[in-house]
Amino acid sequence: NAGVMQNPRHLVRRRGQEARLRCSPMKGHSHVYWYRQLPEEGLKFMVYLQKENIIDESGMPKERFSAEFPKEGPSILRIQQVVRGDSAAYFCASSPGQGRRETQYFGPGTRLLVL
Amino acid sequence: GQQLNQSPQSMFIQEGEDVSMNCTSSSIFNTWLWYKQDPGEGPVLLIALYKAGELTSNGRLTAQFGITRKDSFLNISASIPSDVGIYFCAGQTQGGSEKLVFGKGMKLTVNP
Repeated sequence: NAGVMQNPRHLVRRRGQEARLRCSPMKGHSHVYWYRQLPEEGLKFMVYLQKENIIDESGMPKERFSAEFPKEGPSILRIQQVVRGDSAAYFCASSPGQGRRETQYFGPGTRLLVL
Repeated sequence: GQQLNQSPQSMFIQEGEDVSMNCTSSSIFNTWLWYKQDPGEGPVLLIALYKAGELTSNGRLTAQFGITRKDSFLNISASIPSDVGIYFCAGQTQGGSEKLVFGKGMKLTVNP
C-alpha cells in the first residue's frame, strides 16, 4: 500500500516563475492537507481539502497561493510569481476522512528553492 | 494563532540514556500527537493521544496527555543511534479531520 506521494521532491524556480507541487494521497484517503516548513521550524498548516472542496484555507497567504483537489488526479498547490521567501519544504498529508480519530500521514515533501 | 511551546530545543545524549521532552500550550487540545522527522523526509507518527490523562507506549516510547489538556510529554528509554532526528509535538483542537498545530521541534543527537 503506497504512502503519500509528492512530486517533485526538489524544485528550483527563479523569482517571478510559477511553482506547482503535486500530492497523491494514500489509497482510500479523501482528505488532503498542505503544510509549509521553514528551516529550523515546525510545520505550519496551509490548507485542508476534500475532493473538489476547500474546507479550511485559514493558513494560506491571501495572494499568489492556491490549492485544489480535483475529482480525478492529485492535489495541486500552486504558487504564482514566486519570491525568495517562498523557499521552504512543503508537505502534504492525507487522512481517510471516516472518523473522529483520524491519523494524518505525511508525504516526503517538496523542497522549493527560489533563486 | 495557537502555538505550542516545545522544550528542550535540542539534546545531546549518550547511547543507552533516556530522554524526555514536552510541549505546552496556552489553549486546550483534544488530541496530542508526537511525530519524528528524519532529514529530507516527512514526519512519521509515533504516538497519538486522545484522552486527558492517557498514558500510551510504543516500544521504547511513552507519551502522556496532560490532565489539563494543555500539555504532553514524550519519553524515549534506552536510546539508540537511530533515534536521532527531530521530534515534533502536534495538537488538534477538535480532533478528527482538522489541521494540526505543530511545535518547533526537538533535535536529538545520540552519541554511540
